[in-house]
Amino acid sequence: GNSVTQMEGPVTLSEEAFLTINCTYTATGYPSLFWYVQYPGEGLQLLLKATKADDKGSNKGFEATYRKETTSFHLEKGSVQVSDSAVYFCALSYGIQGAQKLVFGQGTRLTINP
Amino acid sequence: DTGVSQDPRHKITKRGQNVTFRCDPISEHNRLYWYRQTLGQGPEFLTYFQNEAQLEKSRLLSDRFSAERPKGSFSTLEIQRTEQGDSAMYLCASSLGQGAWETQYFGPGTRLLVL
Repeated sequence: GNSVTQMEGPVTLSEEAFLTINCTYTATGYPSLFWYVQYPGEGLQLLLKATKADDKGSNKGFEATYRKETTSFHLEKGSVQVSDSAVYFCALSYGIQGAQKLVFGQGTRLTINP
Repeated sequence: DTGVSQDPRHKITKRGQNVTFRCDPISEHNRLYWYRQTLGQGPEFLTYFQNEAQLEKSRLLSDRFSAERPKGSFSTLEIQRTEQGDSAMYLCASSLGQGAWETQYFGPGTRLLVL
């Protein structure tokens, strides 16, 4: 089946620290991979995505590379800010009846201290 | 583009009551999805519409759940005879349908508490 496992939280860092949130997946076929972010009191927002192996998604200083050989899509940021505090979800999508069904990891809560 | 909206944002009900949630997708998005998110977990797929046709339902969607999307615009999700286990955040997402490049845009969710 299709599943996503991501690093358990919570993760607490100081401002300007380097961030890595690990994400690995199991899938049949070739899924697209996503990172979504959920700020307090808000809905899920797409952070970045990659649709094929070796693609790198990037946005707002965050990056993740689709690694087929290790079935991973780790999220990184070189220098985090307090405003990055949120819950981060790794997800994959695969086709169903012509559409794309998302399968999410359990989420990683990130807190950045000033 | 006003984004995906959901109503209500919060709902408290007593066990056994029926509840209905509404989702308004981004205009012209032909696909609409419902997900459920319990505390500390990622969202789980419930069902999906292509225009007005409901094409896929998860086994999570018991007989007490029904979803509609009349005329392919807004959608409603009804839960009959609610149970405490139905307490969760119900998320709606819409997309334009571009295969592997499809991006689902999520609404703020409806948080349901069943007492």
